[in-house]
Amino acid sequence: QSALTQPPSVSGSPGQSVTISCTGTSSDVGGYNHVSWYQQPPGTAPKLMIYDVNNRPSGVPDRFSGSKSGNTASLSISGLQAEDEADYYCSSYTSSYTYVFGTGTKVTVL
Amino acid sequence: QVQLVQSGAEVKKPGASVKVSCKASAYTFTTSAIHWVRQAPGQRLEFMGWINAGNGNTKYSQKFQGRVTITRDTSATTAYMELTNLRSEDTAVYYCAKEIWGTYEWGYWGHGTLVTVSS
Repeated sequence: QSALTQPPSVSGSPGQSVTISCTGTSSDVGGYNHVSWYQQPPGTAPKLMIYDVNNRPSGVPDRFSGSKSGNTASLSISGLQAEDEADYYCSSYTSSYTYVFGTGTKVTVL
Repeated sequence: QVQLVQSGAEVKKPGASVKVSCKASAYTFTTSAIHWVRQAPGQRLEFMGWINAGNGNTKYSQKFQGRVTITRDTSATTAYMELTNLRSEDTAVYYCAKEIWGTYEWGYWGHGTLVTVSS
């Protein structure tokens, strides 16, 4: 199972919006609405930000939103804040009853 | 407060095996799945496999098939991940994560266990 493809990095100034893409295939992202997004500051465990494409767990700010079109999912962060600086990973359920993660994107707040 | 507490760091020689534990608390263990994910230094997250803590069914990533075994002890509310025939490329932080079965919401993660493989 190949990793889902994400841009290596995105950046934005405080208050701006950024979007991270996550491209897979019809056997993962395109075939199921079980795409999640995780935030991982350096040296910490991943934190769930979005599950099932566009659902936010309790406590996650509504500045974070998810969407999907075809084989590509996206995470949008609006009103960018310094605390949003971290690595972000997407993941998807697959046709093999397993999961696959993305290549990861570093978000930098300028 | 749901918690997943993992066992401590390990140093192993090439060819050896390692068994990492993940102790769950403050929820009904048998209604969950426990997933195992690893992250080599500076690298991306990598899915290894999962176990249905209720019936013990497992599924492994093809990459680790034959080298990884995930088990659970319901009386101890603990899941285990054993990786055999270790090589230097297996040096990584190993995480467990909890999903209420069927929800696809991995809302709780362990703190991670560093496994170092070195001769």
